Amino acid sequence: AQSVTQPDIHITVSEGASLELRCNYSYGATPYLFWYVQSPGQGLQLLLKYFSGDTLVQGIKGFEAEFKRSQSSFNLRKPSVHWSDAAEYFCAVGPTRANNLFFGTGTRLTVIP
Amino acid sequence: NAGVTQTPKFQVLKTGQSMTLQCAQDMNHNSMYWYRQDPGMGLRLIYYSASEGTTDKGEVPNGYNVSRLNKREFSLRLESAAPSQTSVYFCASSERALTDTQYFGPGTRLTVL
Repeated sequence: AQSVTQPDIHITVSEGASLELRCNYSYGATPYLFWYVQSPGQGLQLLLKYFSGDTLVQGIKGFEAEFKRSQSSFNLRKPSVHWSDAAEYFCAVGPTRANNLFFGTGTRLTVIP
Repeated sequence: NAGVTQTPKFQVLKTGQSMTLQCAQDMNHNSMYWYRQDPGMGLRLIYYSASEGTTDKGEVPNGYNVSRLNKREFSLRLESAAPSQTSVYFCASSERALTDTQYFGPGTRLTVL
């Protein structure tokens, strides 16, 4: 079955600290993998995506993610978090057999001063 | 450029009432999507349209209808609203494929009493 799991519902980090958000997927072939961010009251915005090539992907706002096929993971990282990074982050995988993108349940990030 | 716009932003309906959610994009995208977002769940695809004049069911189409009026506009209709349709609805568009970057509208928060 195709699925994506974000094990952490809520993460709190201090401003300036590093961040890693976990994403694990189940997919029969080489997936497209995405990270989207949703600020409060807003729609989703693409941070980065991966399909092939270099397994370390650079995105917007200083984020990066690493595709690890052996671990079925696509974790999102940022070396130094800013208060404006407080938001909900969604990992997604696709396309599914139903021609969907399958979104994870999200990780809410809180940034404390 | 406004990107993807949605109307209304908020709506309260009584069970059995009907309504149409409007979506428009000004990026000349071929594909458009309707998602719903429920607490503790990722986004789920309701319907999508790969091009003007075509629509296809997504993961959760029951109770909804859609119309791709032209290349810019993609509406979602609830014929007889039910409390289970209380959700936040997002419209999105992409240049061509599901795996292209999707651009999201700000959402419509719908409550069905």
